[in-house]
Order: sequence, then C-alpha cells, then structure tokens
Amino acid sequence: AQTVTQSQPEMSVQEAETVTLSCTYDTSESDYYLFWYKQPPSRQMILVIRQEAYKQQNATENRFSVNFQKAAKSFSLKISDSQLGDAAMYFCAYRSARGEYGNKLVFGAGTILRVKS
Amino acid sequence: NAGVTQTPKFRVLKTGQSMTLLCAQDMNHEYMYWYRQDPGMGLRLIHYSVGEGTTAKGEVPDGYNVSRLKKQNFLLGLESAAPSQTSVYFCASSWTGGGYGYTFGSGTRLTVV
Repeated sequence: AQTVTQSQPEMSVQEAETVTLSCTYDTSESDYYLFWYKQPPSRQMILVIRQEAYKQQNATENRFSVNFQKAAKSFSLKISDSQLGDAAMYFCAYRSARGEYGNKLVFGAGTILRVKS
Repeated sequence: NAGVTQTPKFRVLKTGQSMTLLCAQDMNHEYMYWYRQDPGMGLRLIHYSVGEGTTAKGEVPDGYNVSRLKKQNFLLGLESAAPSQTSVYFCASSWTGGGYGYTFGSGTRLTVV
C-alpha cells in the first residue's frame, strides 16, 4: 500500500520570503501522480499543483513550484514571495495510475503554514 | 456554479443516533468518494464508488454505509453514531483515471456527544 509522509507538522515564513514544504512517499509503482492541496481556514480543499511521475520536468504554477525527485520518492512544494493568503494547511497526496480503489488519493498528515507579516 | 455540494455543513448528534450526509455533483464524474479528516491523520478514505449503483470500502469503513443510486449523488450513512465518529467529512468526485485531482465539497463538521 502506498503511504505519504509529511514530516513537518508546522512551518512559519515571513511575508515575501520563500518556504519549502517536504513530502515523501512510498510506492512500488512507476506510474502515478502527485498533488499538493491547500486547505485554508474556510476548510475548502484547493488543488495547488500536480505532477506526473513520468515527466522529469518539475511542475510550476505561478509562485508555487515542486521539486520532484522520483528516485528518492520526494515531492516538496516551494512557495515563493509568500503572502498572507498562503496561510493554510497543505496536504501532499499520491494517486496511482492504476484503477484500483477508484484511483483513490492517499494523503499525508498535512503541514500547517503560518505567514508572518 | 458547477461543483460538489455537501449537506449539512454542521451537525451535532447524540450517541446512538443516525444520520445521512448528502453529496451531489453536477460534473458527470464517474468516481465519488467519502473521506474523514482528523487532526494529525490527514484525510482517510471511508467508502468510494466507481459508478452508479456501485460502492466499495476504503480504509476506515466500519460504522458507515453508503449508497449511489444516481450517478450524481453519493450518500454516507451513520447507523448508530459514536463519539469516535466526530470528525470533518469530505465528499469528492473525479473523472476516471489517476491524472485528475478531486473536486471536493466544502465539508461537514460532525460532533457526536
């Protein structure tokens, strides 16, 4: 079974600075997808970025980028120019390309990001 | 707006009571899911469905039942609520295949006293 580990329960960053959230995962599969979700205090789950395992190029979405290291099974999220609105819980998630379990998402425990002004 | 609608948003139950959480999506997604979110544990899959009329167990199915009589609706039932079921519940839906993320509902905060 796949597992996702987020080793940082909480992180803090100064406004306008850069922060990196860590995520590692365990799988025996070669074809899969990785995601970062943001959960602000409103509780809504918002997709931040996704990465396809067969692509070597790291995904980027505006101020958000990932460092995907397939061999190390590592998938970190970098937030540049942090803003107060980035304060939230961030979840790393894994999704197999195989059809088992309805291609379920497997989530890490989450990292709370605090942004200081 | 297109998306996933969950009702209710908040509920307090007494131990032993029953209730049904409703989830509706209007995106014609085949796959639907129910998760629970607990502090320090992320989101864990309770049950899921890969199409109308189908349901299957996830990681933590005990104490819950589900039904998907119509493609757009996925119902989660608690037959006899227990304090251990105090949690935030999320419904989500998705296209088939692993490359898509989920579309989530806004969650239901359930407290069992």
